[in-house]
Amino acid sequence: EAGVAQSPRYKIIEKRQSVAFWCNPISGHATLYWYQQILGQGPKLLIQFQNNGVVDDSQLPKDRFSAERLKGVDSTLKIQPAKLEDSAVYLCASRSIRGNSPLHFGNGTRLTVT
Amino acid sequence: DQQVKQNSPSLSVQEGRISILNCDYTNSMFDYFLWYKKYPAEGPTFLISISSIKDKNEDGRFTVFLNKSAKHLSLHIVPSQPGDSAVYFCAASSGSNYQLIWGAGTKLIIKP
Repeated sequence: EAGVAQSPRYKIIEKRQSVAFWCNPISGHATLYWYQQILGQGPKLLIQFQNNGVVDDSQLPKDRFSAERLKGVDSTLKIQPAKLEDSAVYLCASRSIRGNSPLHFGNGTRLTVT
Repeated sequence: DQQVKQNSPSLSVQEGRISILNCDYTNSMFDYFLWYKKYPAEGPTFLISISSIKDKNEDGRFTVFLNKSAKHLSLHIVPSQPGDSAVYFCAASSGSNYQLIWGAGTKLIIKP
């Protein structure tokens, strides 16, 4: 099966600019996650969708971050305006809702804010 | 408050020997634990998991041990191979929401 697709792979922007990331999950996976991973740390959950509904966005900085999953398939994550501390790898993951099936991750987008 | 801790940032092991990666947790409500492996510039990939009703799960060269009383789990890789060089993350969840709490990772280096 095709894996989780993310784009772009790399992005460099200046602070206060905006940026958007795109994710296409594995076909049939109802649950989609966006994680932020800062160098030397484990992934931190930003938002979890089930189909096109939000399950958890308690750690999403809503004053600058937004995410949507229209039609319950692809998802976009946006940052506006970006801050220096947003420099990180943004990982998208998806999973089937069957039992304890594991998360499948994309290769991530490395964001550098200068 | 780090609920999942991997206290060794890095570990170096000779090829062919056993690699043991450790993970401690503080939340007694965690009932499902996973190990993920990550190569540079790639996303984490699932390696092995264990439910709290078990104390051991084995898959080929990989074995995970769970000690609930000590709130400790470990991943054993035997024998270690050069392709095992990667960062290994421990993660835990509780209940049915499958929201994983992650450790900071341990970088495993397998020496030839």
